[in-house]
Amino acid sequence: IAGITQAPTSQILAAGRRMTLRCTQDMRHNAMYWYRQDLGLGLRLIHYSNTAGTTGKGEVPDGYSVSRANTDDFPLTLASAVPSQTSVYFCASSDLGGDEQFFGPGTRLTVL
Amino acid sequence: DAKTTQPTSMDCAEGRAANLPCNHSTISGNEYVYWYRQIHSQGPQYIIHGLKNNETNEMASLIITEDRKSSTLILPHATLRDTAVYYCIVGYSTLTFGKGTMLLVSP
Repeated sequence: IAGITQAPTSQILAAGRRMTLRCTQDMRHNAMYWYRQDLGLGLRLIHYSNTAGTTGKGEVPDGYSVSRANTDDFPLTLASAVPSQTSVYFCASSDLGGDEQFFGPGTRLTVL
Repeated sequence: DAKTTQPTSMDCAEGRAANLPCNHSTISGNEYVYWYRQIHSQGPQYIIHGLKNNETNEMASLIITEDRKSSTLILPHATLRDTAVYYCIVGYSTLTFGKGTMLLVSP
């Protein structure tokens, strides 16, 4: 059982480029989440999805988009990356109304 | 803004109990208290959660005051592998992480 996986592990990206971070879970969880973590700021919620076909905005959604075509996948897209999006990105999933969020290993993204 | 206040850092000797405090004076009636931890360079890991009763699982115990304005996470026998940042979070579905407490367990 893989749990929740993210790809790539790390990426260096030129500003202005488009980038999609992938997240896949095999736990059949309804809810999925994207967070970013910056030094000294803790984790901040970017977008979430309570079930396939629906998405919602978190605390810092600007510059990011998500889609939820099926239960397992929740990709995060940066349409035109900027240096302020340099961060570590974590994907998580949980049962809807569940108590525990399971986190992936993270993607370290550097935008130059 | 996070709804919780935690000390920035704490130290604990290996084998001793680690007691991590958290203040959440503005907690609402339907909000749970969650604890997660994050070991360096890894994703956060769920530890425990509670509403108003004290809770215990294989990892830790959670003590919530009767007025629910504060709580304490207890690691009964801390090991070196418990060195991590511990986050106390108040919420219902989406979670708002603060800066947490850096717990350093030393030999």
